[in-house]
Amino acid sequence: NAGVTQTPKFQVLKTGQSMTLQCAQDMNHEYMSWYRQDPGMGLRLIHYSVGAGITDQGEVPNGYNVSRSTTEDFPLRLLSAAPSQTSVYFCASSYGSDRASYEQYFGPGTRLTVT
Amino acid sequence: GNSVTQMEGPVTLSEEAFLTINCTYTATGYPSLFWYVQYPGEGLQLLLKATKADDKGSNKGFEATYRKETTSFHLEKGSVQVSDSAVYFCALIRAGGTSYGKLTFGQGTILTVHP
Repeated sequence: NAGVTQTPKFQVLKTGQSMTLQCAQDMNHEYMSWYRQDPGMGLRLIHYSVGAGITDQGEVPNGYNVSRSTTEDFPLRLLSAAPSQTSVYFCASSYGSDRASYEQYFGPGTRLTVT
Repeated sequence: GNSVTQMEGPVTLSEEAFLTINCTYTATGYPSLFWYVQYPGEGLQLLLKATKADDKGSNKGFEATYRKETTSFHLEKGSVQVSDSAVYFCALIRAGGTSYGKLTFGQGTILTVHP
């Protein structure tokens, strides 16, 4: 049971390039989400999904796209990278979104630098 | 909207000292409250949680009590160890409505414990 996995661990992009951050979980969790972590700001929700085929925007969605074609995978796409997207990105999953007490499990993170 | 405010860091303590990290929140309804911990180079792990007023969450010697009257969820530990050095995040999920599964984080508090 690998939990939540993310690839790559580190990435450097030039402004304007695109890329996809991968996230997968093997716990059959319904709910998955992407956060970004910036110094002094905690983690902020980018996008989330309550099940395969269903996604929605979080607090800071601009510049990012997501899709959820399977229960296991929830990739995050940067369409045209900007220096403001330099951050650490975390994927998380939980059994469901309909109970506020559900624990969310986090991946190890992807550190992205945009030059 | 929902918000979480944590005490400013960083916090530096000697081993066996008493730890308090303050956390206050603003939310409508009755949120569930969480403390997450992030060890260097890793993702976030759930440390403890409380889902209703006066609940006390506890784990690994850490405790926090859900105080609705003061909208607080302060983290405490009686005797810290060097291995407790990490970043601590207070977070909430508002129960009900469209906030299911969406964690709102505080800005994080860096704790360093010296031998």
